[in-house]
Amino acid sequence: DQQVKQNSPSLSVQEGRISILNCDYTNSMFDYFLWYKKYPAEGPTFLISISSIKDKNEDGRFTVFLNKSAKHLSLHIVPSQPGDSAVYFCAAEGDTGTASKLTFGTGTRLQVTL
Amino acid sequence: DTGVSQDPRHKITKRGQNVTFRCDPISEHNRLYWYRQTLGQGPEFLTYFQNEAQLEKSRLLSDRFSAERPKGSFSTLEIQRTEQGDSAMYLCASSLGQGVRGETQYFGPGTRLLVL
Repeated sequence: DQQVKQNSPSLSVQEGRISILNCDYTNSMFDYFLWYKKYPAEGPTFLISISSIKDKNEDGRFTVFLNKSAKHLSLHIVPSQPGDSAVYFCAAEGDTGTASKLTFGTGTRLQVTL
Repeated sequence: DTGVSQDPRHKITKRGQNVTFRCDPISEHNRLYWYRQTLGQGPEFLTYFQNEAQLEKSRLLSDRFSAERPKGSFSTLEIQRTEQGDSAMYLCASSLGQGVRGETQYFGPGTRLLVL
């Protein structure tokens, strides 16, 4: 049972344009959502997060939007840069009493082309 | 570099052998997590420690798996009688452990296990 879903395994965007990565979840108990970025041969690196009490959080070129009623969140990167090419994981927290246990999606591979 | 480190980075073993992985968290972090990532999947939670106490174990963690964190510092993950299905990337992460929601977890580079 995949509680966090990233239905696009890959995305290709031109440098300078907007990248939009999507994530859906099924468990209404999730109350915190995070995005991680992963380069080959490295562990995931935290990018940005959002609490379920908010609908938007922005950090530089990265913005995460949360639509609780649709159980959907998205990560916007603008402008996209070649260094953004990586696998992006959506993760959720809070489905059990265990603080900080993360449930990850399957990832979206972003390629930013010149 | 004071990030999370894992050793070894790669391990090839034969089915039935025991393997042990080590994780050194960021020094002031109280929480330490183990995740497993298989091909095409995201990391899956295995277990976590608050200091030296192991507070939760996933159903993914069969009896062949054991994790320890003596003295609340480094942690070891042992897999006994390895099976081919154990082949995966084993990721360790740590966090401050202050009990706040959305606390950032810092991941190590992982140990890639291949069971032949």
